[in-house]
This record gives sequence, C-alpha cells and structure tokens, in this order.
Amino acid sequence: QKEVEQNSGPLSVPEGAIASLNCTYSDRGSQSFFWYRQYSGKSPELIMSIYSNGDKEDGRFTAQLNKASQYVSLLIRDSQPSDSATYLCAVFPRLSGNTPLVFGKGTRLSVIA
Amino acid sequence: GAVVSQHPSRVICKSGTSVKIECRSLDFQATTMFWYRQFPKKSLMLMATSNEGSKATYEQGVEKDKFLINHASLTLSTLTVTSAHPEDSSFYICSARPLDGDLAKNIQYFGAGTRLSVL
Repeated sequence: QKEVEQNSGPLSVPEGAIASLNCTYSDRGSQSFFWYRQYSGKSPELIMSIYSNGDKEDGRFTAQLNKASQYVSLLIRDSQPSDSATYLCAVFPRLSGNTPLVFGKGTRLSVIA
Repeated sequence: GAVVSQHPSRVICKSGTSVKIECRSLDFQATTMFWYRQFPKKSLMLMATSNEGSKATYEQGVEKDKFLINHASLTLSTLTVTSAHPEDSSFYICSARPLDGDLAKNIQYFGAGTRLSVL
C-alpha cells in the first residue's frame, strides 16, 4: 500500500513568518513529487513539482526533497493570509503512466494577520 | 499553463435523474484522466482512472454501473451519475495527465470541480 503522510494541522503562523509543511512517503521508488494548494470549496491547484534531491525555489515557495529519508517539504516565506488553505502532498509511485498520484490527506494552514 | 475545463460547475437535480459532467483538456492531450469525489472537510477520494479508448478502472467500492465514465477522445472524458440520490451529493473533480512533452513528468492538472446537489 503506497502511503503519503501529512500532519493534518491546523498549522497557524503569523503573517510574514515562514510556514513549513512536511510530508513523508512509503514507496522508496517514487519518482515525482508535488504540492497542491486547495482553498475551501475549490479544486486542488498545482503549486510546486520536484523530481530530484535538494531544493527548488519558485517565488515565495521552496520545495525540498530528500529521497533517502523519503521526505518532502514545502516552505512558504513571508506568509500571507491569502496562503491560508489546505496543502496536499502528492507522490507519483514507480508503476506506469496510468497510475494516479497518491495524495496525503493535507495540512491545513492558517496565516494570522 | 495546462488548463482543464469542467462543466457544469454546479448542478441541482431531482432524485432518480442522471447527471453528466464533462472534463476537457484545453491545450494538451491526455490519455489518462482521473475522477475524484470530495465530501465537505474530507480528503480527495479517487473514484476511477479513465483511459482513452478503453474501459475505466474503478476503485474498490465505487459502483461502475452508477458512475459511468467515457473517455472517447484524448481531450474529453465524461462522468455520468445515473439515478442520482441525495447521498450522491458531493464535489466531483476531474484531473488530467498530459500525454508527453514538457508538460508531462507525471503531473496531474485539475478541473474546477462540479458541485452536485440531489434533492
């Protein structure tokens, strides 16, 4: 059973702080890793993808991948109230092109103004 | 960026009627599309994987005769909820994976979702 684990939260951070979201996965052969943001009542939106060990930065977002530890994280710098949402970690397991992403249950982030 | 269009965004229907939801990839081809259901404050639940030109693969516990999926082209998949009942009321979301090229690498793009209310 392929699993992706996330702390459900809520994670509360003050405006302007760094929010740190974490995710672990069970399938060591996983190839691709994603972070999606889902606002209440809306569908998930892709915000970051990462495929190799290390950091990947995009604006205020940094994704970090450590395949040896089977760990993915997302850092949000200068957090804004508009960042308040549920963040879903997703992993593509090493199977076939038709395989759906395995999603974590999400971490709810609340940025307090 | 890749766009997945889903229609309708909201539908209200009477119990016993059927509802069709369309999912289109607008600027890429997708051999594989996925259908999810999400209840309020709950996690995404995968219902089925839809492959162009072949039968969909349903997840355990999802009734294939109730949730009919058709993936007739590389850009269109439909979900029909047959004989809908109030317990089918939920948020249905489609997702598409680009066939190849720079948009690939196993990404899934999501439609905006369809909120179904069965009276």
